[in-house]
Amino acid sequence: AQSVTQLGSHVSVSEGALVLLRCNYSSSVPPYLFWYVQYPNQGLQLLLKYTTGATLVKGINGFEAEFKKSETSFHLTKPSAHMSDAAEYFCAVTLDTGRRALTFGSGTRLQVQP
Amino acid sequence: DVKVTQSSRYLVKRTGEKVFLECVQDMDHENMFWYRQDPGLGLRLIYFSYDVKMKEKGDIPEGYSVSREKKERFSLILESASTNQTSMYLCASLTGDHTGELFFGEGSRLTVL
Repeated sequence: AQSVTQLGSHVSVSEGALVLLRCNYSSSVPPYLFWYVQYPNQGLQLLLKYTTGATLVKGINGFEAEFKKSETSFHLTKPSAHMSDAAEYFCAVTLDTGRRALTFGSGTRLQVQP
Repeated sequence: DVKVTQSSRYLVKRTGEKVFLECVQDMDHENMFWYRQDPGLGLRLIYFSYDVKMKEKGDIPEGYSVSREKKERFSLILESASTNQTSMYLCASLTGDHTGELFFGEGSRLTVL
């Protein structure tokens, strides 16, 4: 079975500060990993994904994440927060890209203070 | 761009009413999903479908059913709505490139009184 844990349901940073959102997964085999973002009253959109190959993945809006197998982690980072980054972020995992749905974490709400 | 359209953004229903939530995708994707989103619980899978007229239960199917009569359309049905089904419902379709990426609709916020 696969699962995802997101540490911290709320994270607050100052504008211009580093953003770090934590995600740990549990999987018996190498998973595919995703970060999605949800702006208020909208659906989810993909930020980035790790499938195979390079473990440092770059996504949209300056975000990136690193797959660390030894730590079973896939933390999301951004060097400098912008007010527009305020949203809810979801980490997700799947072992079967062909059919089965993603398993999502409980989400982290990011606040950016001016 | 892939477009997943949920017909109703906001609905208010009464306990015991039958509720239909409609979802249409325009990318000829085979796999479609219904999730429920609640604060602190993330997204939980209700049902999914991998082909027309095919469906499989997700993690929380109780109180729900689905219909997939055409490839592009996947409907979620609440036969007799209850207050604990007040939630945000998200429809998604799965890319066919085997990367596991889901494309989501804007969501349907259902309130059951």
